[in-house]
Amino acid sequence: EAQVTQNPRYLITVTGKKLTVTCSQNMNHEYMSWYRQDPGLGLRQIYYSMNVEVTDKGDVPEGYKVSRKEKRNFPLILESPSPNQTSLYFCASSRGGATIDSPLHFGNGTRLTVT
Amino acid sequence: AQSVTQLDSHVSVSEGTPVLLRCNYSSSYSPSLFWYVQHPNKGLQLLLKYTSAATLVKGINGFEAEFKKSETSFHLTKPSAHMSDAAEYFCVGGGGADGLTFGKGTHLIIQP
Repeated sequence: EAQVTQNPRYLITVTGKKLTVTCSQNMNHEYMSWYRQDPGLGLRQIYYSMNVEVTDKGDVPEGYKVSRKEKRNFPLILESPSPNQTSLYFCASSRGGATIDSPLHFGNGTRLTVT
Repeated sequence: AQSVTQLDSHVSVSEGTPVLLRCNYSSSYSPSLFWYVQHPNKGLQLLLKYTSAATLVKGINGFEAEFKKSETSFHLTKPSAHMSDAAEYFCVGGGGADGLTFGKGTHLIIQP
């Protein structure tokens, strides 16, 4: 089954403790992206990757890192989490750039709480 | 630059009545437009997409959207609401090198 898998689904942590949210897709997609969803703000893009070893900042990259060492994986790293990073995070992938011909496939989300 | 505005944060309809979720866009060029649905505790799922081949686009689960260039709108409709339609709906514009712009979402409530 074609899918985007995020782990963990729920995470509670404390300020400053490094964490990684994993994302994996089994569709051989070139494009992968991370979003955060906050009430009243919709989805905002954090980082995206057009292919292996190619990553770019989205609209809200501060406080986040990503890597794309393999095509299928695109982990999101919070080196020093802060409470304002408490949010619902989504990973997504597509064949190429989230265009009309290759819409996004989303994971089920990771709900992060930073205390 | 591109922007997407969903005109209603919440819409409540009775089961069996029509659904209308409104979306306006602004774009300096011919837009790419999508509607996504998000059920509780799930990721977003593509409902339909505007491809410029036809102004009336049919999606999954009986939803449709009509692209109206004169009104810069891409409203989502369904003739008869079902309880399972209760979800968050996102109008999305753009794609490719310009990235995607998400609307803030419309929460659809279905009254029994």
